[in-house]
Amino acid sequence: GAGVSQSPSNKVTEKGKDVELRCDPISGHTALYWYRQSLGQGLEFLIYFQGNSAPDKSGLPSDRFSAERTGGSVSTLTIQRTQQEDSAVYLCASSLIQGNSPLHFGNGTRLTVT
Amino acid sequence: SQQGEEDPQALSIQEGENATMNCSYKTSINNLQWYRQNSGRGLVHLILIRSNEREKHSGRLRVTLDTSKKSSSLLITASRAADTASYFCATDASDRGSTLGRLYFGRGTQLTVWP
Repeated sequence: GAGVSQSPSNKVTEKGKDVELRCDPISGHTALYWYRQSLGQGLEFLIYFQGNSAPDKSGLPSDRFSAERTGGSVSTLTIQRTQQEDSAVYLCASSLIQGNSPLHFGNGTRLTVT
Repeated sequence: SQQGEEDPQALSIQEGENATMNCSYKTSINNLQWYRQNSGRGLVHLILIRSNEREKHSGRLRVTLDTSKKSSSLLITASRAADTASYFCATDASDRGSTLGRLYFGRGTQLTVWP
């Protein structure tokens, strides 16, 4: 596709349920990032994938959060047993290589936990 | 903790005026990037400046970088109502070995340009 695609664009779930957020990066981009943005806040780093290297998971806020990147392309961010404080916009971005390449962002998934 | 912090948090100007936003960061960097975010959308990359550069231009945008002060500024000249958005700076961290590749974003400056 032309850009980074995220689905769903909006997700409302009940507290305690699991959710899966999907990211389709730009074809050929080896680096993929997940960030979280709460209302009026900056971007909080969650996880970073680079090629076949082990992902940098140091930003995941708890063990309820996990992410995979299958075949070096599509990524799924899973949140188990959601809590109200998980409500935020989850942004995915991809880039050609790490470091000096600009990030291309999707429009995000707005997650609301009721 | 966040690496980059923008200042001011909010800026309101009239069309035609210049808008200046500042960013401060804490550690050594390889490069600094500025992004723009329209409401309800993802971030869009505006400009990247490397640590060995002092100034860079792109259209109506001018970015400066002062590594001795660990600060950067983004100047938008002759602003337009369409420039209304949030602006974020993002830095990598050249001295954080295993976290190379991660970008650190600030909370952003909300710019409002009144027609």
